[in-house]
Amino acid sequence: ILNVEQSPQSLHVQEGDSTNFTCSFPSSNFYALHWYRWETAKSPEALFVMTLNGDEKKKGRISATLNTKEGYSYLYIKGSQPEDSATYLCAFQTGANNLFFGTGTRLTVIP
Amino acid sequence: GAVVSQHPSWVICKSGTSVKIECRSLDFQATTMFWYRQFPKQSLMLMATSNEGSKATYEQGVEKDKFLINHASLTLSTLTVTSAHPEDSSFYICSATRPPRSTDTQYFGPGTRLTVL
Repeated sequence: ILNVEQSPQSLHVQEGDSTNFTCSFPSSNFYALHWYRWETAKSPEALFVMTLNGDEKKKGRISATLNTKEGYSYLYIKGSQPEDSATYLCAFQTGANNLFFGTGTRLTVIP
Repeated sequence: GAVVSQHPSWVICKSGTSVKIECRSLDFQATTMFWYRQFPKQSLMLMATSNEGSKATYEQGVEKDKFLINHASLTLSTLTVTSAHPEDSSFYICSATRPPRSTDTQYFGPGTRLTVL
């Protein structure tokens, strides 16, 4: 079992604030790093798949960076909105589709 | 596109009974499906990988005779929890990939909450 850690476990931000969270993963046997957004009672929604060191991906107000040498990825949300409230999961992939998930960061955006 | 459904969304059963959970890819053919479970305050843990037409590959510590997986078609995989006990109470969730790239995203169903009394 690989250790994938996410921090913080939860956070509350005011609407309009920008925020970021961290995913730490092993720096060896890296294949890809996945980010998902998971709203309550819904399916986890894929946000990004990142494969190269230094990768930056962006989707609207959400962006992510990747550092495979030191084993971390940051997810940024600019100008948080209430609809951004969800649990954000990262998953480390070593190959052959095996994903190792963190426990997630639960974000609550207060109107 | 890439919608995965799961049924039922929750189930309560008595100890000793068997429960079947279905996972369907609605708008694509999934040669590979995955089954995960999540205990409270823990991460999603892979139980098994299921390929259409062949036997599932189980992760270490997952009893294949207890968690029966059938992937009979390109759009349907089922997980049967046999002789369920309270310790099997958990959140079970499936995912599917579209071939052939190995870095392709896994598309998840909404999960099934199993409570065994």
